Amino acid sequence: DADVTQTPRNRITKTGKRIMLECSQTKGHDRMYWYRQDPGLGLRLIYYSFDVKDINKGEISDGYSVSRQAQAKFSLSLESAIPNQTALYFCATSDRDRDYGYTFGSGTRLTVV
Amino acid sequence: DAKTTQPTSMDCAEGRAANLPCNHSTISGNEYVYWYRQIHSQGPQYIIHGLKNNETNEMASLIITEDRKSSTLILPHATLRDTAVYYCIVTAVAGGTSYGKLTFGQGTILTVHP
Repeated sequence: DADVTQTPRNRITKTGKRIMLECSQTKGHDRMYWYRQDPGLGLRLIYYSFDVKDINKGEISDGYSVSRQAQAKFSLSLESAIPNQTALYFCATSDRDRDYGYTFGSGTRLTVV
Repeated sequence: DAKTTQPTSMDCAEGRAANLPCNHSTISGNEYVYWYRQIHSQGPQYIIHGLKNNETNEMASLIITEDRKSSTLILPHATLRDTAVYYCIVTAVAGGTSYGKLTFGQGTILTVHP
């Protein structure tokens, strides 16, 4: 099993619908992140969480919300999806005490029509 | 975090060393240099990081200049599977751990050809 698992892998949804992207990890890391990537661009940080009670906005949090249900789970919600939220979404984890870099999931490709 | 500048693209012959440069002239004393790569829409993969000394692991070597204003990632024997986008990121670190907000730029598209 992958260290960082994202579900679903692909999703097509309609404008205005609420959608949740889920991320779970078996790394035992305390920090989790959500990024989005648009074609030809780098990754942009949406939200990050340093522990269950610590959630912070990233550079592009408008239109998104998150929930850290447990240390191992971090969900990203689009309350009312719009077409310009069509992108590749990545979840990542890192460890506060051992700085070996981030571990990324395989991504969720979201299309809003 | 300090801004980085990388070439848009580079080519390398299979079996040869790939040397990917990165400029980070505004780097601060507590900022580390990190390298990640992304193979065609997969999640980015951590490669290596360093502060001021050269670093080597099973994947690559990182050479940081003495003034820390630039660095080079070296893949000693590039293979076709090393074709990817390589990101150089500078981020502040305290107490041995990063502040956790990696900022990804455009990166360098490395193409390894037979």
